[in-house]
Amino acid sequence: DVKVTQSSRYLVKRTGEKVFLECVQDMDHENMFWYRQDPGLGLRLIYFSYDVKMKEKGDIPEGYSVSREKKERFSLILESASTNQTSMYLCASSFSRGEYNEQFFGPGTRLTVL
Amino acid sequence: KNEVEQSPQNLTAQEGEFITINCSYSVGISALHWLQQHPGGGIVSLFMLSSGKKKHGRLIATINIQEKHSSLHITASHPRDSAVYICAVARNYGGSQGNLIFGKGTKLSVKP
Repeated sequence: DVKVTQSSRYLVKRTGEKVFLECVQDMDHENMFWYRQDPGLGLRLIYFSYDVKMKEKGDIPEGYSVSREKKERFSLILESASTNQTSMYLCASSFSRGEYNEQFFGPGTRLTVL
Repeated sequence: KNEVEQSPQNLTAQEGEFITINCSYSVGISALHWLQQHPGGGIVSLFMLSSGKKKHGRLIATINIQEKHSSLHITASHPRDSAVYICAVARNYGGSQGNLIFGKGTKLSVKP
């Protein structure tokens, strides 16, 4: 079974804090993704990575950065958290062979920025 | 206009009813996903399909590529089916592999 884990289920931070969200997958997937999910907006792609040290911006990268130093781990960084970054954050991973491969999702981290 | 539209947004059913959730999309795709999200957040993949029909237990998913439309059916619905159901499409273009476009989801509540 594919397992995608995220470091926290719930997180409360203060405005201006640096926040790290960690995602680990155990299936040797090349691709990893970070999404945020907001009511009425659905899931939106923040960043993705198709290989170690490689990253590409998604639809809403502003205010975020990412790090992929090892294949199994993909970190989302909020350099200076703001209240509009309060959201549910979901990580996903997939293989990179063939035209399209199914994405597997982590349990999500609900982040509240006060 | 959103590239992936789901209907209805909210659906309440009585236990045992047959349920249909619809998804229409406006882009060329290589695959379509149906996902389930229970309260608490985790997302589970129900189906991935690029043509025809797939069945798993009481769940059936169909796709019509020409019409750019997919449906998710639940037969003999049960309260444990209560969840948000999300349609997502993988764009069919030469860009980065694996990018999905998501619908906004259909919140299903099945009453006993």
